[in-house]
Amino acid sequence: QPVLTQPPSVSAAPRQRVTIACSGSSSNIGNNAINWYQQLPGKAPKLLIYYNDLLPSGVSDRFSGSKSGTSASLAISGLQSEDEADYYCATWDASLNCWVFGGGTKLTVL
Amino acid sequence: QVQLQESGPGLVKPSGTLSLTCAVSGASISSGNWWSWVRQPPGKGLEWIGEISQSGNTIYNPSLKSRVTISEDKSKNQFSLKMTSVTAADTAVYYCASSITGVGTFDHWGQGTLVTVSS
Repeated sequence: QPVLTQPPSVSAAPRQRVTIACSGSSSNIGNNAINWYQQLPGKAPKLLIYYNDLLPSGVSDRFSGSKSGTSASLAISGLQSEDEADYYCATWDASLNCWVFGGGTKLTVL
Repeated sequence: QVQLQESGPGLVKPSGTLSLTCAVSGASISSGNWWSWVRQPPGKGLEWIGEISQSGNTIYNPSLKSRVTISEDKSKNQFSLKMTSVTAADTAVYYCASSITGVGTFDHWGQGTLVTVSS
């Protein structure tokens, strides 16, 4: 079982807003920055959000991240069909002494 | 821009050794960054394997540590993964990734290479 918990799937209609949650503990999210990745079908993951809420150059500002306590969330506004992908959260776990990923959330744009 | 490219055998026999190399262009592995390996079994999520720093320090996933070695070749600007005693459970797409933006950001990824463990 992944250390970080994500919902297996979420869905929303085009132009709507959707959030994806990532839940952890004090050994990971609670005391470390979280990053988010987008993985399009058959492609390598792509960094979407880093250090909780920062956007890498070239990433649309429709994506945003936040963190509170031992949970984090990724929000996508103005949903588009090309946003259909798997989304992963990741952070350092100080108890395990390794980087850990969430189980991934499949986003379907209805 | 930074590019990473994995290479190595796509088929490894059970109990054998998996060996992959990641060639880096657009950045130097001698710079102050970390260089990582991540894998993804078919239809499943991402698993961090380990990483190496520009000074050669390594950190491994505790669940794989006894079987994994990550090394570097600065003269070729590449780093490598060796995993021993492989089983079918090690069948996965293996990605190399860099963390240049910041520690643990995995900001650039190779395209990935599928390694199948089968006799």
